[in-house]
Amino acid sequence: RKEVEQDPGPFNVPEGATVAFNCTYSNSASQSFFWYRQDCRKEPKLLMSVYSSGNEDGRFTAQLNRASQYISLLIRDSKLSDSATYLCVVTLTGGGNKLTFGTGTQLKVEL
Amino acid sequence: NAGVTQTPKFQVLKTGQSMTLQCAQDMNHEYMSWYRQDPGMGLRLIHYSVGAGITDQGEVPNGYNVSRSTTEDFPLRLLSAAPSQTSVYFCASSYLGQGGKTFFGQGTRLTVV
Repeated sequence: RKEVEQDPGPFNVPEGATVAFNCTYSNSASQSFFWYRQDCRKEPKLLMSVYSSGNEDGRFTAQLNRASQYISLLIRDSKLSDSATYLCVVTLTGGGNKLTFGTGTQLKVEL
Repeated sequence: NAGVTQTPKFQVLKTGQSMTLQCAQDMNHEYMSWYRQDPGMGLRLIHYSVGAGITDQGEVPNGYNVSRSTTEDFPLRLLSAAPSQTSVYFCASSYLGQGGKTFFGQGTRLTVV
């Protein structure tokens, strides 16, 4: 079983739609949680951290449910420029800076 | 703002050849690491370093060596390339304790034939 699991997609949505991605993690020692964005043939870049209280950055909302070991990312009013792969990333308690990545969920926003 | 710089961007090797992927960062980050990315799999950690002179193995270290003689540089050496090492390689860096704010290089697309 993968430590971090994501639906690979692709999610094809029209511009302006709201789309949600989910991610589950298996290690209860997971400490910190993040969403990274990776454009086609580019490097991953940090999109946002994820907190139990939920956090929002413009059109993006991230949520963590520690009891269910579940992380979500909601994108409202999708733009063409949101088309990318979204990577769910966790760190483990005592794991230092090591990142554990999900395989990513591909989003395609269409006209 | 150079950030994390990797070279080369593309490389084709023959089986058995050796090569070094270069990585440099100018952010004075203590932590540097190498990942490989393969289709259908998340990025996997190859080797990492928490500071100059200190390196350690990650999840998939076999066939690779690293060294960290300076804070800025963290080269990855392929000892004897194999087709299974065909992948996209990313170098990354971050401040210790701030793994979530990791910066990645642009990647090296390596093909071993």
